[in-house]
Amino acid sequence: DAGVIQSPRHEVTEMGQEVTLRCKPISGHNSLFWYRQTMMRGLELLIYFNNNVPIDDSGMPEDRFSAKMPNASFSTLKIQPSEPRDSAVYFCASSSGGAGEQYFGPGTRLTVT
Amino acid sequence: AQSVTQLDSHVSVSEGTPVLLRCNYSSSYSPSLFWYVQHPNKGLQLLLKYTSAATLVKGINGFEAEFKKSETSFHLTKPSAHMSDAAEYFCVVSSSYRDDKIIFGKGTRLHILP
Repeated sequence: DAGVIQSPRHEVTEMGQEVTLRCKPISGHNSLFWYRQTMMRGLELLIYFNNNVPIDDSGMPEDRFSAKMPNASFSTLKIQPSEPRDSAVYFCASSSGGAGEQYFGPGTRLTVT
Repeated sequence: AQSVTQLDSHVSVSEGTPVLLRCNYSSSYSPSLFWYVQHPNKGLQLLLKYTSAATLVKGINGFEAEFKKSETSFHLTKPSAHMSDAAEYFCVVSSSYRDDKIIFGKGTRLHILP
């Protein structure tokens, strides 16, 4: 199994640009999670889906952030417009055995200049 | 309501000595508890999990944790630290009741001294 796949691994963009992060969960997993990690704020859960339906998006910082899961094998996290304070590592994780047992992707390091 | 507290933000031990990373939790329901490890520039990896079976849980890389309901603790231990154990460790609580919300602790960075 390839594990959770995230792309791109690194993204550098200018303030105001749209950024799209992608995630392919492990096949057969029915829950998907998006996290953001920074030195200042640590690991934050942004949103999670169960069976492609958003269950809890209370962690999404503001309307500039949106996430979709059009099918069981793909999800996107979009930031529009991006700001320097969005610079962070964004992780995607998937799970089949409840929210606690998650498998994390390698992350996307986003830098907004 | 659920919460998790990792009592130390940094722990330093010498190679070959025991490791103790402390975690306390609160939960209104029977919790599931987990420890994750994150090596530098990597994603998180599940170390071990407690889901109401045996209270002493063994994980990968020689780590184990003991669920103590009376103390609401789930401390992570290892008898002998190795240099490769240097990483950040996260204690996590979730509940299988209803919305299965998951709460991550703030993390403990483990430093291994040669």
